Formats: sequence, C-alpha cells, structure tokens
Amino acid sequence: AQSVAQPEDQVNVAEGNPLTVKCTYSVSGNPYLFWYVQYPNRGLQFLLKYITGDNLVKGSYGFEAEFNKSQTSFHLKKPSALVSDSALYFCAVSYYGNNRLAFGKGNQVVVIP
Amino acid sequence: SQTIHQWPATLVQPVGSPLSLECTVEGTSNPNLYWYRQAAGRGLQLLFYSVGIGQISSEVPQNLSASRPQDRQFILSSKKLLLSDSGFYLCAWNPPGNPYEQYFGPGTRLTVT
Repeated sequence: AQSVAQPEDQVNVAEGNPLTVKCTYSVSGNPYLFWYVQYPNRGLQFLLKYITGDNLVKGSYGFEAEFNKSQTSFHLKKPSALVSDSALYFCAVSYYGNNRLAFGKGNQVVVIP
Repeated sequence: SQTIHQWPATLVQPVGSPLSLECTVEGTSNPNLYWYRQAAGRGLQLLFYSVGIGQISSEVPQNLSASRPQDRQFILSSKKLLLSDSGFYLCAWNPPGNPYEQYFGPGTRLTVT
C-alpha cells in the first residue's frame, strides 16, 4: 500500500518570496514520486517526478523538489513565487509494479501580490 | 504527440438519469487508462483503471461502471445518478513504456440536481 500526506491545507506566500509545499509519503519499497498542479476547472498538469538518481529534481515553470529518503519527504520548492503560481498542488506516490498513483489531498497555494 | 480528450466539458443531470462520459487518447497505443473523481475541488479518488480492451478494475464500489470498447476509448457510465455523484471527473493515461507517470484530460464537471 502507498499513501501521501500533505499536511497544510493552504500556503500563503508573498510574490517574490520562496515557496515550499510539503509532502511526506509511505510506501513499500522504493518510491516513485510526482507533483502535479491544477488550475480552477482544469485537469492536473504534470510538474516533475522522482524515479531514481539525483535527489534534487527540476521540473516545469521553475519548480524543483528534493527527495529525502530518511525523512520520507518530497517537498516542492520554487525560489521566487509568482502570482500565476496560485493553484492547487498535488503530491502522488507509486512504486515498482504498481500502476496506480496515490494522491495527497492537495495544497492550495496563494501568492499575494 | 499524444493528447487526451474528455467530453462533455460540463453536464447537468437530474437524479435518477443515466450518465455517459467519454475519454479518448490520441497518438499512442495500448495506454493504461484511469477514471478519477474530484469532489469539492480537492482530493482525487481513483474510480476505475484499465490496462487493455475489456479489462476494467474497480477501486470503489458504487453505482458507476466503466468500459473500454476500443484501445484508446474509456467510458464512465451510470444507470441512475445520485446526488453524491456530482463532482469533477478526470480521465488520465500512462505514456507507453512508463506505467507510473500519468497525464490528465481537461475533466468533466458533473452536477446532479
């Protein structure tokens, strides 16, 4: 079984400040980790993934995430937030041999001008 | 390039009426296909997934059903809608050779009245 926890319902950040969205996971074996973003009334858009290799993963729109095995975390980060980054962010996990993703509940990010 | 389509984009149906939502993928063959429901703009619930024509796995018992009559077509149905079936329905697929990374369609907003 696999699961993801996104502990904060909403993250508020001022434009230009660093943005962090937290995610911790639980999985049997080595995790495959993903971040998606969703704008209102739209489907989810893929941002980045960690399968293997470097712990720091770079993705779309200037986002990056760091895989930390000891803390079972995969936090999403952006050095300088934009108002257009305001959206709902989902973390998801799977593992080898399992073609289903387990999603977190989502984090609403609000970037304040 | 591969694209995924869903229709209709929005739907308002009375309680007790039937439902048919369609998802098609272009530019690929033999994809894994998924139906999710998102309630209240937050977490995603996996409803069904399919690894091939006629092969459907149900994740949650309910009054919905799914079918895959063609390789790139995935249909979500109900004989009699309930109020609780309202939500945002998302279809997703895996790229060939990558069973863990999912890409999502634009979604269908269903309101049951």
